[in-house]
Amino acid sequence: DVKVTQSSRYLVKRTGEKVFLECVQDMDHENMFWYRQDPGLGLRLIYFSYDVKMKEKGDIPEGYSVSREKKERFSLILESASTNQTSMYLCASPGQGSSEQYFGPGTRLTVT
Amino acid sequence: GENVEQHPSTLSVQEGDSAVIKCTYSDSASNYFPWYKQELGKRPQLIIDIRSNVGEKKDQRIAVTLNKTAKHFSLHITETQPEDSAVYFCAASTTYSGGGADGLTFGKGTHLIIQP
Repeated sequence: DVKVTQSSRYLVKRTGEKVFLECVQDMDHENMFWYRQDPGLGLRLIYFSYDVKMKEKGDIPEGYSVSREKKERFSLILESASTNQTSMYLCASPGQGSSEQYFGPGTRLTVT
Repeated sequence: GENVEQHPSTLSVQEGDSAVIKCTYSDSASNYFPWYKQELGKRPQLIIDIRSNVGEKKDQRIAVTLNKTAKHFSLHITETQPEDSAVYFCAASTTYSGGGADGLTFGKGTHLIIQP
């Protein structure tokens, strides 16, 4: 069974803090993606990675960075959290030989 | 970059009736069009997808149609049931030689409400 897991379901951080969101997949796939989901805006691609140590900007990369040191792990980093980064963050990875993207359970981040 | 428009934002239908959600895309290079269903508090899950070499695909009560010339695709749900109530997202992407999809560009979602 395909699995994408995220380190936290809920997170509350203060403005200016450095925040790490972790995602792990067990499908041994090269590709991993980070999206944020906001009401009325759908899901928007922040960053993605095609391989270890490789990263590509998505549609809304400003204020975020990523790290891919191991194939199974893809981290989203908020260098200095701001209130407009309060959102649901979803990680995704395709299955082997599949175009379907499997999503993690999401991390609801609140920045106060 | 790709832009995906989705309509309507909310759709209310009587149980047993059909529901249709429509999406348009802007990038003619897009060749993969999935539909995701997201129930309240849960992660999005793929319900059906279509590639640009196919005009229609069916899976039981769900069907998707694609018009490449007009750059639009639609989701059709027949004989709607209460468990169909959810938010539905369309998306578009390009696929690469390995068969996987690049990052998806999503529509803003349709909240489908099935009235008993």
